[in-house]
Formats: sequence, C-alpha cells, structure tokens
Amino acid sequence: GAVVSQHPSWVICKSGTSVKIECRSLDFQATTMFWYRQFPKQSLMLMATSNEGSKATYEQGVEKDKFLINHASLTLSTLTVTSAHPEDSSFYICSVPNRTPPYNEQFFGPGTRLTVL
Amino acid sequence: DAKTTQPTSMDCAEGRAANLPCNHSTISGNEYVYWYRQIHSQGPQYIIHGLKNNETNEMASLIITEDRKSSTLILPHATLRDTAVYYCIVRVEETSGSRLTFGEGTQLTVNP
Repeated sequence: GAVVSQHPSWVICKSGTSVKIECRSLDFQATTMFWYRQFPKQSLMLMATSNEGSKATYEQGVEKDKFLINHASLTLSTLTVTSAHPEDSSFYICSVPNRTPPYNEQFFGPGTRLTVL
Repeated sequence: DAKTTQPTSMDCAEGRAANLPCNHSTISGNEYVYWYRQIHSQGPQYIIHGLKNNETNEMASLIITEDRKSSTLILPHATLRDTAVYYCIVRVEETSGSRLTFGEGTQLTVNP
C-alpha cells in the first residue's frame, strides 16, 4: 500500500496566523487526496477532496477561503489554514485512496496536530 | 451510504478473541462493509472489507450475516496494541476513490 507522510506532525501558532500542512504520498501517485479533521473525542470529518491539477471539492460547511488546498503534483497536497483561530485547533489527517481494488481502501497519513493560541 | 450502528465501547482480555459487531440493516446490494481502526493520535488504518462472503487476512476476520444486515470483526488473539477505535463503514466501490464517512466507532480496550 501507499506510504503517506504529513508535515509537520504538530504545530502551535498564534491566532491570526496562517499554517500550511503538507501531505505527501511517498511511493504512490495520487490524483486524489482527502483531508479530514478530527476534534478531541470525536470522529473524523471529511473536509475536502484534493484533486491534482484542479480545484478542490469542499464538504458542506467547510469554508474554502479559510482552508486553502493545493494539489500541485501527484505526490503532494497542501492544506493551508488561513487566519487560524483557537476553534481551528484540531487533528488534521490526509489520505490517499487505493488505485486498484479495493478502491475504498485509503492510506492515511499520521496526522498533524494544530494548536492555535 | 447505509447507516451503521456500533457499540460505543468494548473491553477484551489480552490473548482472547475480540468480536466487534456492526449493524447495517439498510445496506444495499452493491455496498461493501469496510473496517478501519484508529489508534490514539494516529491516522486510521484499513483492516479488512467484504461484500457477502466471510473474509480473513493477517489482521482479522470479517463475518457477514447471510442477510448482510450485520457483521462482526474478529481479532482472534487481541494484544494491547489492538486498543483503538474501530470503525465500520458501508460504501459502494468507486474507481475514483470515494469519500468515506466515519461514524463514532467502537473504542476497544484490550486489558492485560
């Protein structure tokens, strides 16, 4: 399966600043990547689908101008949290779907814990 | 996607089998049952999936009832490292990679 990395693994920032999170597919070309968010003691919530070479598709209720996604290559997608606020503090996880069956097998990154002060 | 229902939490003794149930009574004929788990502060990990036949791999076994309205994930010899939240997801296969919806899952705690 694919090996997916994320950088940074954790980040602390001040309110109002922007934070970029990278998701890399190390051995797998990914035309699609998914971004999830997970608040403490809650389940994963899909935020957006990142599409290589085209605009991301955002889930209902997710502000596209606040969570900027760029998928410039087949191995890298970035999520930028703009003007971060304490309520954006969360665990952000990306995933890469399998390109062969089972297609619903997704390879997840280790996650990035964002804390906004 | 069909709705799934799982117990909130379960306990299991180390070395014993852990049987995690999932109800999916509204499952459609072309929907698969997928299981993932998430160890604390890590990304989820795919475990196994099935359509209607029972499946087994190096991690677990999946038993799907004949009417497909429920399934059970079996970890035959649970270890402490199997402590995690286990998610049952029902989804059709989409070649472009489909969006998974995670429910609340079952927190499995394996006790020494």
